[in-house]
Amino acid sequence: AIQMTQSPSSLSASVGDRVTITCRASQVIDRDLSWYQQKPGKAPKLLIYGSSILQSGVPSTFSGSGSGTDFTLTITSLQAEDFATYYCLQSFDYPLSFGGGTRVEVK
Amino acid sequence: EVQLVESGGGLVRPGGSLRLSCKVSGFAFSDYIMNWVRQAPGKGLEWVSSISPDSNYISQADSVKGRFTISRDNARNSLYLFLDDVRGDDTAVYYCVRVGGSATYILDHWGQGTLVTVSS
Repeated sequence: AIQMTQSPSSLSASVGDRVTITCRASQVIDRDLSWYQQKPGKAPKLLIYGSSILQSGVPSTFSGSGSGTDFTLTITSLQAEDFATYYCLQSFDYPLSFGGGTRVEVK
Repeated sequence: EVQLVESGGGLVRPGGSLRLSCKVSGFAFSDYIMNWVRQAPGKGLEWVSSISPDSNYISQADSVKGRFTISRDNARNSLYLFLDDVRGDDTAVYYCVRVGGSATYILDHWGQGTLVTVSS
């Protein structure tokens, strides 16, 4: 099974900050990587798929990059509504696997 | 509007069973792969199971193999998850999730979730 290692597990940031979250796959997964945002008590929401393709309606302050085993989610200018937990997901092969999550908190 | 509405969660004793349902609307259910994803309280997301549009291909996490069964009824626009021989670590919110994209496997629509609590 493919393991997804996400870091950091949490971070503190301020509005306007640039935030970077990384995910590393235990084997090559091409670009079969998506990112999800989850707020407390809510279902996750798709942000980015295919490593770098922004889902419709997602602000352009979000971007993704990477291929192979190393991937990055970047928020170029953190907004108040972006404080949440973020997860990566590999869909290269079953069983699907999520990263452990990154909680973005207010500094 | 795409909607996925789960039901069937509740309190179940260890070793017991429960059936979760997901009623969908707003899209051609029979064309889409569907998944169940769960989240234990205060924990991360865990993929549980996937089923192809025609039910011919099913995949499951090792943690539920032999205990959980995914199924669907395309005529009723419904997805199911039968949980058997449940354990404490099965306590979680269970989400019904659509796989979107023609060339890319993405979880593009999620239900609101249904909580399963395993406790004596």
